[in-house]
Amino acid sequence: ETGVTQSPTHLIKTRGQQVTLRCSSQSGHNTVSWYQQALGQGPQFIFQYYREEENGRGNFPPRFSGLQFPNYSSELNVNALELDDSALYLCASSLVTDQETQYFGPGTRLLVL
Amino acid sequence: AQRVTQPEKLLSVFKGAPVELKCNYSYSGSPELFWYVQYSRQRLQLLLRHISRESIKGFTADLNKGETSFHLKKPFAQEEDSAMYYCALRAGGSNYKLTFGKGTLLTVNP
Repeated sequence: ETGVTQSPTHLIKTRGQQVTLRCSSQSGHNTVSWYQQALGQGPQFIFQYYREEENGRGNFPPRFSGLQFPNYSSELNVNALELDDSALYLCASSLVTDQETQYFGPGTRLLVL
Repeated sequence: AQRVTQPEKLLSVFKGAPVELKCNYSYSGSPELFWYVQYSRQRLQLLLRHISRESIKGFTADLNKGETSFHLKKPFAQEEDSAMYYCALRAGGSNYKLTFGKGTLLTVNP
């Protein structure tokens, strides 16, 4: 197994609340990407961070935001939660020189009631 | 915009039979294509990428730009191949984003 870890594993929130999901990247990996995977769907790209800055973004509203820390750990923050935000959130780390090889974490399953 | 289509949600074959998981894409430039796999209770992992022209666990995939396809094939399926398979596309150049299909659940029966 790779060294990408995510916390928490499961989370239940109510509509309108805010949530922070955490990811610890594989050692030496300087790029982290976040994906949302709704039930029955493939992962959807949210954004990527490199050198603590957002390096690209998918089709997600600004209430989805993130941070990357010097130790390459990362956070995904979602404000004003909506029911449709219920999904599995995946973190993936990679080397900037080999972004094709993304190492995925186990995910955090978020349920919004 | 890019799009990846996996027309089969479910595919069931018998052990030893050939298997082909279909993937079609839509992208105007030169894409990079990948297959990711997720075995039961494991995390998503890269299986193979078209630029490597490699065979992993007996699986191969050829990029057909004329048909905009990247089908995954294996001549003799094994029970341990049962998993969820996702086709993914990365736009050429410095684009970082992976676009995934919805996945195909492959079941190999004994």
